[in-house]
Amino acid sequence: SYELTQPPSVSVSPGQTASITCSGDKLGDKYACWYQQKPGQSPVLVIYQDSKRPSGIPERFSGSNSGNTATLTISGTQALDEADYYCQAWDRSTVVFGGGTKLTVL
Amino acid sequence: QVLESGGGLVQPGGSLRLSCAASGFILSTYAVSWVRQAPGKGLQWVSAISGSGGSTYYADSVKGRFTISRDNSKNTLHLQMNSLRAEDTAIYYCAKAEASGTGGFDIWGQGTLVTVSS
Repeated sequence: SYELTQPPSVSVSPGQTASITCSGDKLGDKYACWYQQKPGQSPVLVIYQDSKRPSGIPERFSGSNSGNTATLTISGTQALDEADYYCQAWDRSTVVFGGGTKLTVL
Repeated sequence: QVLESGGGLVQPGGSLRLSCAASGFILSTYAVSWVRQAPGKGLQWVSAISGSGGSTYYADSVKGRFTISRDNSKNTLHLQMNSLRAEDTAIYYCAKAEASGTGGFDIWGQGTLVTVSS
């Protein structure tokens, strides 16, 4: 079965750029999306179709997808960006999520 | 928005039927999925149904035990869960596919908790 691999944790200082990777076999041939989930809350779509931002998502969130890796980049990271982030893609009529990355802003 | 209901405590081997009521959009226009999250764990996709309702998809872990369906007259999605196991314990979210059809889910409910325990 298809797998997406994310680092368990990423740390970033306020105002700096955070990058969270998501790896999967030929992931660049699929569309990747990203979700933010804060404790006790439902996931929120922050990037879809590799690099598009839904309405209401700040411009500091951006995405890319090429080769075997999709990347979520948060520029000028703020304390309120601290959350779990999940990548997701479709593979052969099934949805696959990455294991999630805990972003710590310190 | 979408609102899930039907969760609760059930014994191993038991059944439960979850519902997801949509408001503000016509559910049958979009593909919709159920996604679950075990306590302290990550997101796990469970099942999906196409916009037309003609196609259904399941994770291997629930295939043959769970059935996804929709009631277009009530703008509602269902998940019938049979032969429940302890490992099915999770918050179950209903999630609507975003309009581009490229695979993301742009509307999520608040979730309903399913606990399988004796």
